[in-house]
Amino acid sequence: GQQVMQIPQYQHVQEGEDFTTYCNSSTTLSNIQWYKQRPGGHPVFLIQLVKSGEVKKQKRLTFQFGEAKKNSSLHITATQTTDVGTYFCAGKIEVSGSARQLTFGSGTQLTVLP
Amino acid sequence: KAGVTQTPRYLIKTRGQQVTLSCSPISGHRSVSWYQQTPGQGLQFLFEYFSETQRNKGNFPGRFSGRQFSNSRSEMNVSTLELGDSALYLCASSFSVTGELFFGEGSRLTVL
Repeated sequence: GQQVMQIPQYQHVQEGEDFTTYCNSSTTLSNIQWYKQRPGGHPVFLIQLVKSGEVKKQKRLTFQFGEAKKNSSLHITATQTTDVGTYFCAGKIEVSGSARQLTFGSGTQLTVLP
Repeated sequence: KAGVTQTPRYLIKTRGQQVTLSCSPISGHRSVSWYQQTPGQGLQFLFEYFSETQRNKGNFPGRFSGRQFSNSRSEMNVSTLELGDSALYLCASSFSVTGELFFGEGSRLTVL
């Protein structure tokens, strides 16, 4: 079935190092959203990308949407302990006609070592 | 404004029983989605409702069902529970079917 693949599954970094997580889809995405889930918490929306090649920044976070709208990445510069959590991408995939389903990647669990 | 409210937060059931989970979306949100989260499978899509109509359904057996009421509140039901149904069930609401999702705290179901 249609899937959104996300790598890596786990990432440990020293505080101050950079971090990147990648998402790939076998089909073209209408849009892609990114969420962060802190340990013991629920996913919280970070951003939505819609246009081919789009790049958006939120302070130390940079989000990119590929030209073919099949891949996306989230890059965090100079990680901090507050960045700890699992980062999920979620792609809007057409399932039939005009119906679109938001499919989540498996997530990247980020650990930041002080 | 109040966030997405899910009840109950925790529950323990035994195999063969059924369970009903409730979700109250953010006021004004007409779209409600349900997800199952397990350590090994991540966030798996269950259903999406908009204005009382099921728009999408994920690849789950017929034991999983849901509905949405006229006030946008939603319920999901799992019948004939199996051990593998143990998971965190997350409800999310959004203003539109293309907008960002606002998740509730989840209902953690344990099946013994």
